[in-house]
This record gives sequence, C-alpha cells and structure tokens, in this order.
Amino acid sequence: DTEVTQTPKHLVMGMTNKKSLKCEQHMGHRAMYWYKQKAKKPPELMFVYSYEKLSINESVPSRFSPECPNSSLLNLHLHALQPEDSALYLCASSPGGRNSGNTIYFGEGSWLTVV
Amino acid sequence: KNQVEQSPQSLIILEGKNCTLQCNYTVSPFSNLRWYKQDTGRGPVSLTIMTFSENTKSNGRYTATLDADTKQSSLHITASQLSDSASYICVVSPFYTASKLTFGTGTRLQVTL
Repeated sequence: DTEVTQTPKHLVMGMTNKKSLKCEQHMGHRAMYWYKQKAKKPPELMFVYSYEKLSINESVPSRFSPECPNSSLLNLHLHALQPEDSALYLCASSPGGRNSGNTIYFGEGSWLTVV
Repeated sequence: KNQVEQSPQSLIILEGKNCTLQCNYTVSPFSNLRWYKQDTGRGPVSLTIMTFSENTKSNGRYTATLDADTKQSSLHITASQLSDSASYICVVSPFYTASKLTFGTGTRLQVTL
C-alpha cells in the first residue's frame, strides 16, 4: 500500500469557519508534510513533522495549525482563513531519517475554497 | 539561491510521438533529483528518482537522464499516450535534508489526436 489518503477532497468554507483537513498513511513513514499549491504553480512547503514532532514551519500564518496525533495521521486545522488561502493542499509522507534519497509520496490533495 | 528551471513551459504533441523535457538546477550540495507527473487538480506521482551517481533511470515509457556535472536532467517520453497529458515537475533535494525540496515550475504537456 503506497497511498497517502486525504479528506475531504473538496472543502468550501467561510472566513469565520473552523475546519480541518486530514491526512493518513499506513506505510510506516515517519516524516509527513503539508504543502500548498496555487494553480499553475509548484507546491510550497508549509510544515514538516518528523517522528511526530514539528520540525519545520515555513513561517506559515497562525490561522493554519498543524497537528500530528500519531505517526499515521496528520491534520491541518483552519480558522479565520482569507480568500487568498484558496488552493490545493497536499499532504505527503516519506520514510524519514537521514536518508534524503527517500521518495516523497503525495496524496491526491484537498481543494480548499474560502468564500 | 537554489533554483530549478524547466523547459519548455508547455508542449503539445501528437499521440504516439516522443518528447523530451528539460530541467536545469543550481541546488548545491545535491543529493537527488526526482521527476513527478501531476494531473490537473491531483497530487504529484513519482516517476523516477536519481542520485548524483546515476546517469539514467527508466520507468516504462519514461526515461530520465542526469548530468550532475552540468546540473541538467531530462525526461524522455516514448510513444506518448493521451493519458500522458499532465504537468511534469522536476524536484531537487539538497544533501542535508529531504525536507527542503526545490520544485521546478513544471512543463505542461498536452498529447492530442
């Protein structure tokens, strides 16, 4: 099983709503990532969790709050978003550790529209 | 600054034809280079990954080459199919971490009848 599963696939939310994006992998990977991708642009790294600890936060606004409940799950909590936050949010995972040659597996993404 | 540049930006070819996509990078120190295929609105799917010691790697009709001296890579697609229509993204990883990937802006390939 080489899948990273993201839910929901599509989400429309108002600027005052609180919602969450969820990501799950059962490959035993110890590194998990959140990326944001705008149309016709490459993915931009937001957060990295390594062994369930937040290791990288790319200066992401606090209205995005990541959570890693266990080694298989990664959440992205959303609150008070802006319309410009509308994008495809990609979750990814990799085996982790010091071997930077590991392939990173991406999920199908969650399309977020903020109205 | 680490950069990955891809060319052409977009490409239209007839079904059955071959094509080659280019990737130039300035990431240093270099660990590995990956090619991903991304269908519109979906997550990227890994095609190949090459370390600095590898010159070529194939995955079905996809063949990637790497010249670590000139910091260039290419992705050759043979006998293209309509399902090859997608964006192809070159991604480079520095030696010190797998997390700091540098993404190219991609080449949008359209295969037509």
